[in-house]
Amino acid sequence: EVHLVESGGGLVQPGGSLRLSCVASGFTFRSYWMSWVRQAPGKGLECVANIRQDGDEKYYVDSVKGRFTISRDNAKNSLYLQMNSLRAEDTAVYYCARQLRPDFWGQGTLVTVSS
Amino acid sequence: DVVMTQSPLSLPVTLGQPASISCRSSQSLVHSDGNTYLNWFHQGPGQSPRRLIYTVSNRDSGVPDRFSGSGSGTDFTLKISRVEAEDVGVYYCMQATHWPFTFGHGTRLEIK
Repeated sequence: EVHLVESGGGLVQPGGSLRLSCVASGFTFRSYWMSWVRQAPGKGLECVANIRQDGDEKYYVDSVKGRFTISRDNAKNSLYLQMNSLRAEDTAVYYCARQLRPDFWGQGTLVTVSS
Repeated sequence: DVVMTQSPLSLPVTLGQPASISCRSSQSLVHSDGNTYLNWFHQGPGQSPRRLIYTVSNRDSGVPDRFSGSGSGTDFTLKISRVEAEDVGVYYCMQATHWPFTFGHGTRLEIK
């Protein structure tokens, strides 16, 4: 059974940083593109970033380019999202998802950017 | 960015009755590889989204056959043949042809 478990969310001040992690199990992690998708409170969904199996190809939505970095460690079955220069509008539940075109999603971790 | 427009925003349905959700894209979703990457997701209360349909009309494993997807180009539809109580929640269409991938604003299905 596919499992994706996110962690690392929390309350951070504007301009601060957070690193999200996602541990995968139940499938061959190194064989899949992986993605981060976010959902602002009471709002819709936004694809934030994704990363190829080998980590050498990455895509970001314009609103996070230069501030967020997606990475992975295939030996640890883990996906990461380093978030710097956080803004209030980054407040959201962040989901780890399998595939470039997401099929299976984790339960999410809440990031709140507020002073 | 591709804009995805869903209708209706709210969909009250009687148990056992059919339901239909429309999704239109601001540009064609036909990819250069020939596929049309239009997916449908369901988000139940307090849950993460679950994919129901991929590439317009293919049901994911475990999705009941009362769910069906259709459409082409810029016009797509999700149909539920007979609504059950577990179907409540928000339905999203998503295009995964043009980066950034984008979602519709969602259709909230509720039981009358």
